[in-house]
Amino acid sequence: DAGITQSPRHKVTETGTPVTLRCHQTENHRYMYWYRQDPGHGLRLIHYSYGVKDTDKGEVSDGYSVSRSKTEDFLLTLESATSSQTSVYFCAISIRVGETQYFGPGTRLLVL
Amino acid sequence: DAKTTQPPSMDCAEGRAANLPCNHSTISGNEYVYWYRQIHSQGPQYIIHGLKNNETNEMASLIITEDRKSSTLILPHATLRDTAVYYCIVRADSNAGGTSYGKLTFGQGTILTVHP
Repeated sequence: DAGITQSPRHKVTETGTPVTLRCHQTENHRYMYWYRQDPGHGLRLIHYSYGVKDTDKGEVSDGYSVSRSKTEDFLLTLESATSSQTSVYFCAISIRVGETQYFGPGTRLLVL
Repeated sequence: DAKTTQPPSMDCAEGRAANLPCNHSTISGNEYVYWYRQIHSQGPQYIIHGLKNNETNEMASLIITEDRKSSTLILPHATLRDTAVYYCIVRADSNAGGTSYGKLTFGQGTILTVHP
């Protein structure tokens, strides 16, 4: 399996609280992605990164920000969590855009 | 990316081959067929992908029809641990150009249940 870890694996927080999820890879892949998975919606892309300090929005980016200061780490921040952001969040990596993506184990986030 | 159609569920006996079909009749010439699976509560796992030739790896075989409008994922000797949701995805390769950022579009997939 690709060397991808996500932390925390589970989190419960309250509405209005800032939350940061971390994705860490040991593969030195250039591209990193954040998805969320919800029943009936499949996986939806939130943000992606194509290099250190290079990020862009996906299809459901509202309410989320990302940062990538090192190749190995891609952070997803919910500035002020809302109940609609309760979801399972997956990080993925790939060598190049359009190449195979490998996924992390996911983070379950519950916003009360 | 082209749309795919998969049966919602399938059953398979342990030790037998599991053959999972996928229709992708609008596939373009530069689009690959990818298969992922997701075991309950885990992240999606890459299985295999191909363009037009049949492919095999340690996990599975991928058979793509000559017209590329459909494909079949074959798990040669299914085990209980292969019970999962299997996703067939069609997407352009890295040289396709345009504004694609490599997004993977997961549909509803096929729930494969392997029973003893």
